[in-house]
Amino acid sequence: DVKVTQSSRYLVKRTGEKVFLECVQDMDHENMFWYRQDPGLGLRLIYFSYDVKMKEKGDIPEGYSVSREKKERFSLILESASTNQTSMYLCASKTGLAGADTQYFGPGTRLTVL
Amino acid sequence: DAKTTQPTSMDCAEGRAANLPCNHSTISGNEYVYWYRQIHSQGPQYIIHGLKNNETNEMASLIITEDRKSSTLILPHATLRDTAVYYCIVSPYSGSARQLTFGSGTQLTVLP
Repeated sequence: DVKVTQSSRYLVKRTGEKVFLECVQDMDHENMFWYRQDPGLGLRLIYFSYDVKMKEKGDIPEGYSVSREKKERFSLILESASTNQTSMYLCASKTGLAGADTQYFGPGTRLTVL
Repeated sequence: DAKTTQPTSMDCAEGRAANLPCNHSTISGNEYVYWYRQIHSQGPQYIIHGLKNNETNEMASLIITEDRKSSTLILPHATLRDTAVYYCIVSPYSGSARQLTFGSGTQLTVLP
């Protein structure tokens, strides 16, 4: 079974802090994604990566950066956390092989910024 | 990507089959139908996908109409743990990195 793990289930940070969210997948997937989920807004894509050291902006990249130094790990960084970044953050991965578009999600990190 | 329409909510008695409908009348020939579910405060979980044939796995069955304009996810014996929001998504057959677009989904409540 594909396993996607995220470093924390719950996180509380203060405004202005630098925040790191880590995601690891064990299926050798090329593609990895960071989404945030907010009530009434659904899942919105922040950044994605299709290979090591490669990244592309999603729909809402402002205030975030990412790092992919190893294939299995994709990190989301909040350079200076703000209260409007309080949200559920979801990591997902997907094979780069041509085929079905199945994405496998981690359990999520619920971040609260005070 | 084609848009999908699902009922906002449904109830189902425990032990009975849950049948969740989805309309995707603008689906194109290379688009698959996917179903995910999300249990409260957890990440979405992949359930099943199909192109035009009916599909079955250990979790569910997917019935796609011949014209592919609608589909039904069937949970044959619903349990309380199946209470979740169920999302129907259409997306093409692709290896590229592309985001999944989740709509509002159907809140399924399994009643004891």
